Amino acid sequence: GENVEQHPSTLSVQEGDSAVIKCTYSDSASNYFPWYKQELGKRPQLIIDIRSNVGEKKDQRIAVTLNKTAKHFSLHITETQPEDSAVYFCAATYGGSQGNLIFGKGTKLSVKP
Amino acid sequence: ETGVTQTPRHLVMGMTNKKSLKCEQHLGHNAMYWYKQSAKKPLELMFVYSLEERVENNSVPSRFSPECPNSSHLFLHLHTLQPEDSALYLCASSKTGYGSGYTFGSGTRLTVV
Repeated sequence: GENVEQHPSTLSVQEGDSAVIKCTYSDSASNYFPWYKQELGKRPQLIIDIRSNVGEKKDQRIAVTLNKTAKHFSLHITETQPEDSAVYFCAATYGGSQGNLIFGKGTKLSVKP
Repeated sequence: ETGVTQTPRHLVMGMTNKKSLKCEQHLGHNAMYWYKQSAKKPLELMFVYSLEERVENNSVPSRFSPECPNSSHLFLHLHTLQPEDSALYLCASSKTGYGSGYTFGSGTRLTVV
């Protein structure tokens, strides 16, 4: 069945360093790839997304890249800050045009001051 | 609030109890979802409703019973649960058709004793 693999499961960086989280997906029909941030005790929130007709998208310190041929996409956070500490989930659509999402297992990012 | 409201926020119930979780959205979305989030399986899809019709049941035990009376409301009826059902239950909504981000509710923290 459809699957989204996410790595690493935990990531610890020093404040100011960059962080990269990678995901691979199995459904070649996937056309939408959002990233969610979930702070402790809070709901997941959409932070950035990319569609299959775009290779890269940037929003201030965060960026997402997509390689459709290899079926992988990545989240890049530059100049990390302690408030970036959270669990990050990638997701990809499956099931054709309905747009249902399948999520990766999450990456716990810790930014040390 | 995000536009997706879940009640109650916390629930403690015995294994013989019957309770219901409620989710409400006023974002004009036409799809609603129930997810179970636990340490072992983050963001595990349970049910998908599209245009008030259940389109996916991800092998969920019958002690969980969803109900979607209209496009703005979603319920999860619980009965004779097990301690391993203790988790955070998240509701989400979206617009189907092209793939768009989900908006999550804040979740119900369920403890089964």
